[in-house]
Amino acid sequence: GAGVSQTPSNKVTEKGKYVELRCDPISGHTALYWYRQSLGQGPEFLIYFQGTGAADDSGLPNDRFFAVRPEGSVSTLKIQRTERGDSAVYLCASSSQGTTQYFGPGTRLTVL
Amino acid sequence: DAKTTQPPSMDCAEGRAANLPCNHSTISGNEYVYWYRQIHSQGPQYIIHGLKNNETNEMASLIITEDRKSSTLILPHATLRDTAVYYCIVRATTSGTYKYIFGTGTRLKVLA
Repeated sequence: GAGVSQTPSNKVTEKGKYVELRCDPISGHTALYWYRQSLGQGPEFLIYFQGTGAADDSGLPNDRFFAVRPEGSVSTLKIQRTERGDSAVYLCASSSQGTTQYFGPGTRLTVL
Repeated sequence: DAKTTQPPSMDCAEGRAANLPCNHSTISGNEYVYWYRQIHSQGPQYIIHGLKNNETNEMASLIITEDRKSSTLILPHATLRDTAVYYCIVRATTSGTYKYIFGTGTRLKVLA
């Protein structure tokens, strides 16, 4: 079946701009996670959704980052006033409650 | 902080078994050991997981010590396509975020 998909695969933006990154989880998966991976590092947890609600957003670095999942399926990660330090690969994963997470291919964000 | 410790890099000859160690000395009784790998520019790929017993699937075997403080991922016949960064993760089994905390992993290079 279809895996986790993320769009766009690459996003280049200018400092100060607003960006949205989209994640389509595996059908039927109630849990959705966002991670961020900087060059040479392992992925770093950002936020976890169970259904429509953000059950844990402790990994969001600051209030410029926000994520939604209004219908309990697709999720959008939103970054306001982007900074060069936001450049990274943003990974999305989904799972059934409490089980193995399956990752998407990621969105590579470059802030110039 | 990551709960696991792995060697930063390893080499393995093609066709030979690759044995990747992981130390998780602070693991709790309700935490699983998960292994993922990440091939360049792709999202992490699930390999295998276990709680107490050794596990085997079509990709690999997982050997967990009796005290559960360490484990070894075994790729029985490594191929060039197994060159990747391998991550060992511990994750709670009970209610909670179930988020993954990645370390920096082991960079495995399979040599022809």
